Amino acid sequence: DAKTTQPNSMESNEEEPVHLPCNHSTISGTDYIHWYRQLPSQGPEYVIHGLTSNVNNRMASLAIAEDRKSSTLILHRATLRDAAVYYCILRDGQGGATNKLIFGTGTLLAVQP
Amino acid sequence: ETGVTQSPTHLIKTRGQQVTLRCSSQSGHNTVSWYQQALGQGPQFIFQYYREEENGRGNFPPRFSGLQFPNYSSELNVNALELDDSALYLCASSLGSRPLNYGYTFGSGTRLTVV
Repeated sequence: DAKTTQPNSMESNEEEPVHLPCNHSTISGTDYIHWYRQLPSQGPEYVIHGLTSNVNNRMASLAIAEDRKSSTLILHRATLRDAAVYYCILRDGQGGATNKLIFGTGTLLAVQP
Repeated sequence: ETGVTQSPTHLIKTRGQQVTLRCSSQSGHNTVSWYQQALGQGPQFIFQYYREEENGRGNFPPRFSGLQFPNYSSELNVNALELDDSALYLCASSLGSRPLNYGYTFGSGTRLTVV
């Protein structure tokens, strides 16, 4: 399974944009890039995913590098409720009966008021 | 729609005992996966159940076993508990065993402490 590398922690100010980077230099052509986040005392929560093109949804945007070896999760205006551990995960888009999630240690995002 | 519910929320067991954790999947979901999360680590995949059968397993010993029922709820059983089994156990449900396009829905977990 291809691996991802994320900074251990980042800090942001409330109402400012946050760019969370993820490196995945060994990504294969069929790997999707998924982001989950885990708020304190909760289970992980799906945020967004993409394959090649940039993606937007109500929670965030995902910018994918042209060579797909890195991606960035963008929170357009951080709020205190966005303080969480953010996980960047690669998932194979083909083959196999199970599509388990392989979590790393993620990026702990702190949001200052 | 209801989300994923897990019970109990907290549990303390003694080394060598057995434990059963329960999970009710989100309405409409037919697949359940279980994860173990040690303190300060990301969740680790234990196994997945699809249509009442195990169809994928992570690197966990056979004393970790599970069941899925016709209503798609699930149980995780751990025998001969060890101190290292202390962790947050997370259940995730999905529609289909390969939910690429809409992800998994996780419960808030069961915190198991083995003493």
